[in-house]
Amino acid sequence: QVQLVESGGGMVQPGRSLRLSCAASGFTFNNYGMHWVRQAPGKGLEWVAVIWYDGTNKYYADSVKGRFTISRDNSKNTLFLQMNSLRAEDTAVYYCARDAQLWFPTYWFDTWGQGTLVTVSS
Amino acid sequence: EIVLTQSPGTLSLSPGERATLSCRASQSVSNNYLAWYQQKAGQAPRLLIYGASSRATGIPDRFSGSGSGTDFTLTISRLEPEDFAVYFCQQYDSSPRGTFGGGTKVEIK
Repeated sequence: QVQLVESGGGMVQPGRSLRLSCAASGFTFNNYGMHWVRQAPGKGLEWVAVIWYDGTNKYYADSVKGRFTISRDNSKNTLFLQMNSLRAEDTAVYYCARDAQLWFPTYWFDTWGQGTLVTVSS
Repeated sequence: EIVLTQSPGTLSLSPGERATLSCRASQSVSNNYLAWYQQKAGQAPRLLIYGASSRATGIPDRFSGSGSGTDFTLTISRLEPEDFAVYFCQQYDSSPRGTFGGGTKVEIK
């Protein structure tokens, strides 16, 4: 079955870095755009970043632009989020999500991972 | 930027009752590019509705979406115990795409 499994979360000090991974299975990974979406504790959902099926295009929310980098390794069916210069307000559960359409992202999501918690605190 | 406002914030209902959730956009959502997600406590969101009214795969027909332009509605015809959750609407029409509403919590009365 279609599955996404995130890893790499944890507690980190402000200003430090963290790299999240999302392992995909059950579908042809390199046919889909992939996203990261986050949810601060007790809050709503915030789209973070998208990468096209072939990695050629990447877009970010203003809140993370210049600090976060999305990437993918299609040979390993894995999505990444490199998070630098972390801030307290980046504390959230980070979900990877599959775009619902083949090839070019349409920004709605038909499959979500279980999430990984990132806590930024001194 | 399209801002989505969901109401009410909390809906207190009993199993078997009808739930009507509202999602209002600050400007028109073209092509009905609006989705609804359900999120149960401690779980990831699940896609319910896309294109404002199309049910996602495996979603029971007691869930229905309607609306256009700036006003959209998610209706649960008869609440089952497993339907008590938080519901988010999302627009994927205009930049910044993928923005969500603040959510409506459906709780047991």
